[in-house]
Order: sequence, then structure tokens, then C-alpha cells
Amino acid sequence: EADIYQTPRYLVIGTGKKITLECSQTMGHDKMYWYQQDPGMELHLIHYSYGVNSTEKGDLSSESTVSRIRTEHFPLTLESARPSHTSQYLCASSVRQGAYEQYFGPGTRLTVT
Amino acid sequence: SQKIEQNSEALNIQEGKTATLTCNYTNYSPAYLQWYRQDPGRGPVFLILIRENEKEKRKERLKVTFDTTLKQSLFHITASQPADSATYLCALDEGGSYIPTFGRGTSLIVHP
Repeated sequence: EADIYQTPRYLVIGTGKKITLECSQTMGHDKMYWYQQDPGMELHLIHYSYGVNSTEKGDLSSESTVSRIRTEHFPLTLESARPSHTSQYLCASSVRQGAYEQYFGPGTRLTVT
Repeated sequence: SQKIEQNSEALNIQEGKTATLTCNYTNYSPAYLQWYRQDPGRGPVFLILIRENEKEKRKERLKVTFDTTLKQSLFHITASQPADSATYLCALDEGGSYIPTFGRGTSLIVHP
């Protein structure tokens, strides 16, 4: 099992609140990713990072931001949560080069009321 | 537009049989294709990767084929067990970006 952690696992929060979803990995992986997944649907890439101080937006515009100040830490922040943000958020990481497989965390199930 | 298709209907099979799942794609030229397993409420787990120049790859009870002419990958689990019941996702990448695109997955249910 991969050493990648997400907190909280479940979160119920009211509309308009600011939230930060935490993701940490202890494998020293350079690349990290955030995905959003609804039940029975494909994973949509929200943000990714190739290393410290590198962040890029993915295909899905989720009105969120990320930071990568340390290799092991890649938090996702929603400045103002809305019911449309209700979803499963998955964090993943992969090694620098030559290996394409991603290691996923357990996910955070977010519900915005 | 680019598209990845996996059968949305669950595949039901009996224990001991071979499960075969399909991943079709259009408007991609993938350099490699991956298969992941996802259990309910959990993150996907990497299973196997096959590159564009490989026709077939095996790993324990898993076998993957990759036909770039048909634009299709087949994923086989031999001697299936109830513990193999899960959703299986294919993911492909055209290479270089390390950003795979995932399909919706197919649910596999293995009956004892």
C-alpha cells in the first residue's frame, strides 16, 4: 500500500466556507495530482505539480487553488465552498521519470450543504 | 474529441472463470495504457502498464493486450475470485506529460 495520506476523510461543510484538503506523501515523489470523482464517473484532473514551487491547472475548473512548498505536501484549498463542489477528491503522486503509475490516497468525501 | 470507453454495465462472472474487460479509445495516440483497480470509497490502485510497442503483458493472474490498430486494450483476470470484485479503470497517456486520462471504469462482480 502506498504511503500517501489525505485528511479529512469525510467533511460536511456549509456554503461559503473556506476549506483546505490535506495531502501528504512519504515516498519522495516529485509529481503530485488532485482529481475530482463523482460516483460512477471518471477521474477529472483539477491540479498537478511536477515539483516544489510548480503548480498547474488541470482540465476541470474547480475554483480551487493548490500550493507545493514542500515535496511531500500538496494541499487543495476551496476559498468559498458551494454545493456543486460536493464530490470525492483524490490525491495522487508518481515518481520523477520513467515510471508512469500513480499512487492514490484514500480520498476525501466532501459534502457542501 | 478524445474519448475513452469502458463498458458501463457490470460484468458478472462465476468464480474460477476468466474475466475480460475492454477499454476502447478514439482520437488518442497513447504511448502507454494503464489499468487500475478501485474499491468503493477508495482511491484507485495501480495494477499493470503496457506500452504502445508491447502487444501483451502478464502479471500473475492478469493479462493485458494493447492493439493500437483497433484502438483497444483487453484486461483479463484468470481464475477469478470474489475478492477480485471491484471497478477497473483504464488510463492512457500520449506520453511525456505524465498526465493520464482515466475512463469511467467497469464494475466486475465475481460470484462464489
